Amino acid sequence: KAGVTQTPRYLIKTRGQQVTLSCSPISGHRSVSWYQQTPGQGLQFLFEYFSETQRNKGNFPGRFSGRQFSNSRSEMNVSTLELGDSALYLCASSYEDSLYNEQFFGPGTRLTVL
Amino acid sequence: GENVEQHPSTLSVQEGDSAVIKCTYSDSASNYFPWYKQELGKRPQLIIDIRSNVGEKKDQRIAVTLNKTAKHFSLHITETQPEDSAVYFCAASNQDYGGATNKLIFGTGTLLAVQP
Repeated sequence: KAGVTQTPRYLIKTRGQQVTLSCSPISGHRSVSWYQQTPGQGLQFLFEYFSETQRNKGNFPGRFSGRQFSNSRSEMNVSTLELGDSALYLCASSYEDSLYNEQFFGPGTRLTVL
Repeated sequence: GENVEQHPSTLSVQEGDSAVIKCTYSDSASNYFPWYKQELGKRPQLIIDIRSNVGEKKDQRIAVTLNKTAKHFSLHITETQPEDSAVYFCAASNQDYGGATNKLIFGTGTLLAVQP
């Protein structure tokens, strides 16, 4: 099976702009989670989607939003970009067939805000 | 709130030596503890995980131990090789049956350098 894919891999934006990132999970995986990775804060949970519904959300401002489509692909959107939003954004997918669900990460989208 | 502490932040060992990374979690409801390896510029990759009903798990040169009472879990790498050099992250999750959430709380990472 193909792994988790993310597009684009790199983005450069300026403050105030908005951005949309895309994540395609492993075929058959229905859960998609998003994480922000920065040198200072490490890996922080943004939100999680399952069957097109957000079922958990981290402590990020409302400028960060997401959605999931019927084919399990997910997008996240960041509006009114700030310099501090520069980070590697990772998504992870899991199959959801047992009590404990292994998560597999995509390569990430590196966002730079100037 | 939920928190995972990870130590040490950096670890340098000689090839062939063992390496141990330790994590402590705060949420007593956590029941799933994965470890991820992230090489420079690459995605985090799951290397081993342990469930709360197991005290120890081993996979070749890698082992993980869990002490639920103390809320500690550790990664042990034996016979280290230069290709083991990477950043290692521990994580904790409270996964109810049916997967009410897959949210992972990550430790801050350990940079492991294996010197040839």
